[in-house]
Amino acid sequence: GAVVSQHPSRVICKSGTSVKIECRSLDFQATTMFWYRQFPKQSLMLMATSNEGSKATYEQGVEKDKFLINHASLTLSTLTVTSAHPEDSSFYICSARKGGVNEKLFFGSGTQLSVL
Amino acid sequence: KQEVTQIPAALSVPEGENLVLNCSFTDSAIYNLQWFRQDPGKGLTSLLLIQSSQREQTSGRLNASLDKSSGRSTLYIAASQPGDSATYLCAVGNGGATNKLIFGTGTLLAVQP
Repeated sequence: GAVVSQHPSRVICKSGTSVKIECRSLDFQATTMFWYRQFPKQSLMLMATSNEGSKATYEQGVEKDKFLINHASLTLSTLTVTSAHPEDSSFYICSARKGGVNEKLFFGSGTQLSVL
Repeated sequence: KQEVTQIPAALSVPEGENLVLNCSFTDSAIYNLQWFRQDPGKGLTSLLLIQSSQREQTSGRLNASLDKSSGRSTLYIAASQPGDSATYLCAVGNGGATNKLIFGTGTLLAVQP
């Protein structure tokens, strides 16, 4: 199988602080990872595509300076929510693809962010 | 812009029943389609992946079909069990360099013992 580990699973922070979420592919190398956001009882919304060694590609309406993505290696991508506000509270999920673009996407277990 | 819709939004069935979940998409030019299940507060578990050239895929009690020309996919669950209770999501891959997935709205399934 393919395992994607996401950490932390839950974080509570004060407004104005920054939070970093890590996404690791444990048993495969992922040149591309994806970051999604999910509001309660809603579907997943793609935020950005993370490419190893290059800048992330953000979806329309997603602030790149607000959600910093770094894909430093073939097994690690990080999402940093900068100067978090209560409206940033959400469930963030990363995913990675093992192999070519026609292969399955595997997901992390998600991070529940609550900003007070 | 690709839009993915799932019907019904919620479904409750008694244990043992066979059931069908529906997924429709507006742009038929997809690369592939993937079905997932999501348990409350958890990530997604991949169930089945259908390439655009395929008509169906099967795994155990699950069977997914794809009719690309009509923009539809179905997930058939045979002999449902309480452990099947979860939210089921379909997602279409739009191709391109990264084949990013566009997700449907989900179907919340409850299988009653």
